[in-house]
Amino acid sequence: NAGVTQTPKFQVLKTGQSMTLQCAQDMNHEYMSWYRQDPGMGLRLIHYSVGAGITDQGEVPNGYNVSRSTTEDFPLRLLSAAPSQTSVYFCASSYYGSRDGYTFGSGTRLTVV
Amino acid sequence: RKEVEQDPGPFNVPEGATVAFNCTYSNSASQSFFWYRQDCRKEPKLLMSVYSSGNEDGRFTAQLNRASQYISLLIRDSKLSDSATYLCVVNTNAGKSTFGDGTTLTVKP
Repeated sequence: NAGVTQTPKFQVLKTGQSMTLQCAQDMNHEYMSWYRQDPGMGLRLIHYSVGAGITDQGEVPNGYNVSRSTTEDFPLRLLSAAPSQTSVYFCASSYYGSRDGYTFGSGTRLTVV
Repeated sequence: RKEVEQDPGPFNVPEGATVAFNCTYSNSASQSFFWYRQDCRKEPKLLMSVYSSGNEDGRFTAQLNRASQYISLLIRDSKLSDSATYLCVVNTNAGKSTFGDGTTLTVKP
């Protein structure tokens, strides 16, 4: 049981490049979300999804796109990378409405130069 | 004002000490509450869900006070391995969670 798998673990981008951060879960969770965490701060919600075909914006959605074509996958796309997007990105999943909390992936450390 | 606020610490305590963290939230419609533990450069991991009746798991006790809109985490008999950042999380509806910035705990020999 792999849980939540994020790839890549590390990435360096040049300003203006685009890329996709991958997130996959094998627990049949309806709910998936993307967070970013900057040094010394908590996690901030970027986008989330309550099921295949349904996505919504979180607290800091600008500069990011998501789609949810399957229950298992929830990729995060950076459209035109900026240094302000240097951060650690975490993907999380849970059963919808669950009171059992989230399962997180191990994170992607992104540096934009 | 942030939706979820935590005392950032750091809390530096000796082994065996009892330490308590508080977290306040601003949305009275919040439905569920959690404490997560995050080790340096790692993903957060669920420590405890917090229920209205309070709940205990070994050395850890979580409490919820809806009237005053705060949750707490009590750690008894602190161990070196408890050193981490503790994140308070509040679900304001079924689709969104708000994280506090975390409280850093260092347990020293």
